[in-house]
Amino acid sequence: GAGVSQSPSNKVTEKGKDVELRCDPISGHTALYWYRQSLGQGLEFLIYFQGNSAPDKSGLPSDRFSAERTGGSVSTLTIQRTQQEDSAVYLCASSSPPRGGVSSEQYFGPGTRLTVT
Amino acid sequence: GQNIDQPTEMTATEGAIVQINCTYQTSGFNGLFWYQQHAGEAPTFLSYNVLDGLEEKGRFSSFLSRSKGYSYLLLKELQMKDSASYLCAVRPSGSSNTGKLIFGQGTTLQVKP
Repeated sequence: GAGVSQSPSNKVTEKGKDVELRCDPISGHTALYWYRQSLGQGLEFLIYFQGNSAPDKSGLPSDRFSAERTGGSVSTLTIQRTQQEDSAVYLCASSSPPRGGVSSEQYFGPGTRLTVT
Repeated sequence: GQNIDQPTEMTATEGAIVQINCTYQTSGFNGLFWYQQHAGEAPTFLSYNVLDGLEEKGRFSSFLSRSKGYSYLLLKELQMKDSASYLCAVRPSGSSNTGKLIFGQGTTLQVKP
């Protein structure tokens, strides 16, 4: 079956503009995660969705960042008034429902490389 | 706080064995994952440890010691295609219902002929 897909694969935007990044998780995966990977840095957790709700938004770096998920499937990460420090690869991951209270491994998409000029 | 340490770079020879270490200090522990990431590609799952000991999967093995906050990934019979970044990630306590992972910076492994 299809894996996690993300679009666009690359996005160049001017400082101050808004951007939307899209994630299509694996069908049937109820859990969805957004991470950010900056140059030379590890993956940084941003937000977690279970279904359409986001019980953990603790990683969003500022109120310029928001995300939503509709139909328990597609998710959109929006960055308003982009800054140069927002330049990074934004990765989406999904996983199947937890069993016995334990969540399974996460499957990652190829990421969106965002460059803010 | 949360801290995961792993070497930045390693070099090894084709056919050899390499061990990539990972130490962690997190707010509790609920499992450790290893992922492989080739340049420009998505991370792919390699292994999962939640109990102490060694988990073996083909040429790859992963070890965990919870008392020492330590794990390693062992790659045997290295192949050129094993050149990639290897990411160590910990699931802290309290996140078993979310699955959130805390990642180290990754170890870039270069395999030479």
